[in-house]
Amino acid sequence: DQQVKQNSPSLSVQEGRISILNCDYTNSMFDYFLWYKKYPAEGPTFLISISSIKDKNEDGRFTVFLNKSAKHLSLHIVPSQPGDSAVYFCATRPWGGSQGNLIFGKGTKLSVKP
Amino acid sequence: DTEVTQTPKHLVMGMTNKKSLKCEQHMGHRAMYWYKQKAKKPPELMFVYSYEKLSINESVPSRFSPECPNSSLLNLHLHALQPEDSALYLCASSQIGGAETQYFGPGTRLLVL
Repeated sequence: DQQVKQNSPSLSVQEGRISILNCDYTNSMFDYFLWYKKYPAEGPTFLISISSIKDKNEDGRFTVFLNKSAKHLSLHIVPSQPGDSAVYFCATRPWGGSQGNLIFGKGTKLSVKP
Repeated sequence: DTEVTQTPKHLVMGMTNKKSLKCEQHMGHRAMYWYKQKAKKPPELMFVYSYEKLSINESVPSRFSPECPNSSLLNLHLHALQPEDSALYLCASSQIGGAETQYFGPGTRLLVL
C-alpha cells in the first residue's frame, strides 16, 4: 500500500505559467517532506523541503505548501521554464524514523512547453 | 558544495563478473546510502551506513555487498548479478539528526548481460 501518492503521472504546462505538483500521504506521523527533481539517467536533485511545523516554504520560483489536516502537499513553480521539464518526486520521513527511511512517491513527469 | 560523485557512470557486466561501484562525498556527512532505481519507478533504498557502520539492509541479496572504508567513501561490490539487477544505482549522503536532507549522486547505469 502506497504511503506517498503522486496521483498525476504527468503534467504539461506552458512556459511562464504556474506548475502545481501534488502529493498525498497517509500517515500523520510523517514530519518532514522533500521534493526532488530528476532528469533521465541522472540522480535526483534536492529542490526544497518543509517541516511539519510549517505550512509554507519558499525558495525562489519554488514554493511548497503543506496541509496537514488533508495530508497533502504541493509544489508550485512560478514561472515555469522549459528547463524545469523533469520528473518530480515527493518524499517524506516518519517522525522518529530510522536514519535514511525516506519514502518516495512514484513521481510526476512535468513538461514545460515553450 | 552539495556534490556526491559516483564512478563509473556506466557499467556493463556479465553474470560471472565481479565489479565495484564507488561513491564519494566531502560534505562531512556521516550517513551514506545506496539506492536502486528501475525505469519509471522511485528510488528503492538498499543500504544505509551511519558513522561508517551498516545500519539498514533492506533485505538485499548477498550478491550486493556494501563497504564504507571511511566517512567520505562508499562502495558497492557486485558479484554474480542477474539481468534483473540492471538498473540505475544511486548513492546519497546526509547529515545525521535534524533535517537529514539526502543529496544524491548522478548514479551508475548498470547493465547485466
